[in-house]
Amino acid sequence: ETGVTQSPTHLIKTRGQQVTLRCSSQSGHNTVSWYQQALGQGPQFIFQYYREEENGRGNFPPRFSGLQFPNYSSELNVNALELDDSALYLCASSLETGSELAFFGQGTRLTVV
Amino acid sequence: SQKIEQNSEALNIQEGKTATLTCNYTNYSPAYLQWYRQDPGRGPVFLLLIRENEKEKRKERLKVTFDTTLKQSLFHITASQPADSATYLCAVRGPTGRRALTFGSGTRLQVQP
Repeated sequence: ETGVTQSPTHLIKTRGQQVTLRCSSQSGHNTVSWYQQALGQGPQFIFQYYREEENGRGNFPPRFSGLQFPNYSSELNVNALELDDSALYLCASSLETGSELAFFGQGTRLTVV
Repeated sequence: SQKIEQNSEALNIQEGKTATLTCNYTNYSPAYLQWYRQDPGRGPVFLLLIRENEKEKRKERLKVTFDTTLKQSLFHITASQPADSATYLCAVRGPTGRRALTFGSGTRLQVQP
């Protein structure tokens, strides 16, 4: 186990709704990254948070937003859900923003209907 | 733009044989490359990291090679076991500075008893 926990594990939402996914990083890690993994694909980088600030973003629209809290846990928010947002959402924590290693949680499976 | 390519076809081998998976990258010269294992519905688990100045890295039954001229990494599992059945992902840091991991789409390995 990596010590990175995500909640919930599964979620079903309706198109147009909003969703919040949560991640607790490994103890001592101040950097959290979020990835989206569609079926049969590799994880795609959404954004990274370092010490409560967004610290890099992939090719995702503004309706994907996040937060990082003083204890370094993090949230991913997605507004105006679309069917294509159905995916496994992964959180990864790292000791520092430039760390070589990232430790992944078990993911949240989001289904948009 | 940077591309990481893995054989999308599943690899089926007999127990006890050596599995060899390929990762090719283009338009980029990563300082290091990582391999992850992912089981269905779970987050990726880090296996090995190999740097650009290392030709080969080993860990128990796993071996990774890194050829910066061919822009290719090979991942070997010797004496394979049914428990090795999973999807294997390769990843490099970038292109968003050092913040994001860029993954290949993964190769599914099935080891038959």
